[in-house]
Amino acid sequence: EVQLVETGGGLIQPGGSLRLSCAASGFTVSSNYMSWVRQAPGKGLEWVSIIYSGGSTYYADSVKGRFTISRDNSKNTLYLQMNSLRAEDTAVYYCASATTNWGQGTLVTVSS
Amino acid sequence: DIQMTQSPSTLSASVGDRVTITCRASHSISSWLAWYQQKPGKAPKLLIYKASSLESGVPSRFSGSGSGTEFTLTISSLQPDDFATYYCQQYNDYSQTFGQGTKVEIK
Repeated sequence: EVQLVETGGGLIQPGGSLRLSCAASGFTVSSNYMSWVRQAPGKGLEWVSIIYSGGSTYYADSVKGRFTISRDNSKNTLYLQMNSLRAEDTAVYYCASATTNWGQGTLVTVSS
Repeated sequence: DIQMTQSPSTLSASVGDRVTITCRASHSISSWLAWYQQKPGKAPKLLIYKASSLESGVPSRFSGSGSGTEFTLTISSLQPDDFATYYCQQYNDYSQTFGQGTKVEIK
């Protein structure tokens, strides 16, 4: 069974850093593209970042230069390093494998 | 970046109604479009991929059509479990943008 489990969310002060993890089972994270998508409270879905099987990475303009997507094939885990966090980064962060499989999400709250 | 415009933003309907949601892309995305259903507090669930392919396990009352820049999601006979928010997403290029969402409410 394919499963994605996100961890690492929490309350962080503006300007702080956080690393989200997405542990995969039932498939290999490097076999297809993997994405991070976020949803601010009461808002719609926003694509954040993508990493392709070949390793190419891309970011939404809103996070470019502050967030870094990566994966550890040996741990079959996807990551999102988030630096210089802002209040507007407050959201539930989901990892997704292509379009098909999504994790349950982890809440990041940026507040003083 | 490709912009996705979804309409309507809210739709009031009754059980048994036929419901149609539209998604328009600012540039051609061929058939690289997915539709998701999301319920409060839950992750999005894939319904349709590649514009018209039904995801395994999804009821056949859901269907998708379109290509290029115009797409539709149709629910042939709305069921109580279908009251939710629906999103389209293009995956033609790396910035896999979503539509704004359509909330399907009970009339």
